[in-house]
Amino acid sequence: QSALTQPASVSGSPGQSITISCTGTSNDIGDFNYVSWYQQHPDKAPHLIIFDVTNRPSGVSDRFSGSKSGNTASLTISGLQAEDEADYYCSSYRSSTTLFYVFGTGTKVTVL
Amino acid sequence: EVQLVESGGGLVKPGGSLRLSCAASGFTFSSYSMNWVRQAPGKGLEWVSSISSSSSYTHYADSVKGRLTISRDNAKNSLYLQMSSLRAEDTAVYYCAREYSINWFDAWGQGTLVTVSS
Repeated sequence: QSALTQPASVSGSPGQSITISCTGTSNDIGDFNYVSWYQQHPDKAPHLIIFDVTNRPSGVSDRFSGSKSGNTASLTISGLQAEDEADYYCSSYRSSTTLFYVFGTGTKVTVL
Repeated sequence: EVQLVESGGGLVKPGGSLRLSCAASGFTFSSYSMNWVRQAPGKGLEWVSSISSSSSYTHYADSVKGRLTISRDNAKNSLYLQMSSLRAEDTAVYYCAREYSINWFDAWGQGTLVTVSS
């Protein structure tokens, strides 16, 4: 059961934009628009920030945006702020007899 | 306000059993699929199991199939995870999460820590 692949870390200065990639396969990201993204601050529960590839729940800043191309989904954070420093996880539905949902390996975002 | 509160975690010996509970409030529990997601210390998120709103369907990650059993009691607004034949690699914080739509976990509990160690 392989997780989706994310870079271990991404950093940026306040005000900059950063992008986190999430690479899967044709059995998950490539074939379904059921990609979500979660933000997790230390010792806190994950928090949904993007669902169905591009949609933001109410209350989530429009500085967060999602996209997908082929087997790779991406999360972009624009106008980086100190409060954005956290771990970020992608997730996808996977068509498989052995797994239903799969998370990414996680990316630590550091605001310099 | 949507609330999910897990309980039942603790220290258990390898091969032992434990039952986790998740008490839901602030929404119509019987209308939503529910999930368990775990996170080993210092590691990433791992989806564990899912159950449909009426318990008609359950799904499990390969790593827990045959050892962990998800269930729910809609009358009690509660979700459960019966854990047996526990292994050291099951050590993690276990979160319950509401599934608003497919792969869209919009509400999470605070988590309960399960430690499997002799």
